[in-house]
Amino acid sequence: EDQVTQSPEALRLQEGESSSLNCSYTVSGLRGLFWYRQDPGKGPEFLFTLYSAGEEKEKERLKATLTKKESFLHITAPKPEDSATYLCAVQPQGGSEKLVFGKGMKLTVNP
Amino acid sequence: NAGVTQTPKFQVLKTGQSMTLQCAQDMNHEYMSWYRQDPGMGLRLIHYSVGAGITDQGEVPNGYNVSRSTTEDFPLRLLSAAPSQTSVYFCASSYSTWVSGNGYTFGSGTRLTVV
Repeated sequence: EDQVTQSPEALRLQEGESSSLNCSYTVSGLRGLFWYRQDPGKGPEFLFTLYSAGEEKEKERLKATLTKKESFLHITAPKPEDSATYLCAVQPQGGSEKLVFGKGMKLTVNP
Repeated sequence: NAGVTQTPKFQVLKTGQSMTLQCAQDMNHEYMSWYRQDPGMGLRLIHYSVGAGITDQGEVPNGYNVSRSTTEDFPLRLLSAAPSQTSVYFCASSYSTWVSGNGYTFGSGTRLTVV
């Protein structure tokens, strides 16, 4: 069964305090791994797609990396506006566009 | 482009009532899907469609029906609402995550309460 586990479930940081979020996955064959950001009361917003181990993507203070078993979302010098829930999802092989999501990780950045 | 539009934003139903959650996209996306989001559960796939006239079940399809008569619209029907269907519902669409690499575009959600 395809499965995605995110840790920690919640994280509080001080502004400027860098950290990493973990997404470990079990999938029969990985077509792609996705990171989304979700603000309260809104739909998830796409951040990154990673396809193969060793791949990295960056956007402002965020950097996503991928290995064969997990992905990390590194947050460098976060700001309060980075506070949100971050979702990880995998797309299994098989020709379908279906995504399997983790439960999410709520990040709070205090000024 | 409006993206993915969901209506209504909020709805309260009584047990046993039926209703339709509307979803429309103007990006000519072939793939559309419905997810529900519950506290501590993450997003779970209800139904999806890979094109007009083609639908299939996801992880939690019971109690829901879908149809896809046009590329733009993908309504979700609750046949006989139950309190267990209290949730936030998201519609999502994509051209092709493999080709575009852009993942899904989500709507802003419908918050449904069944009493």
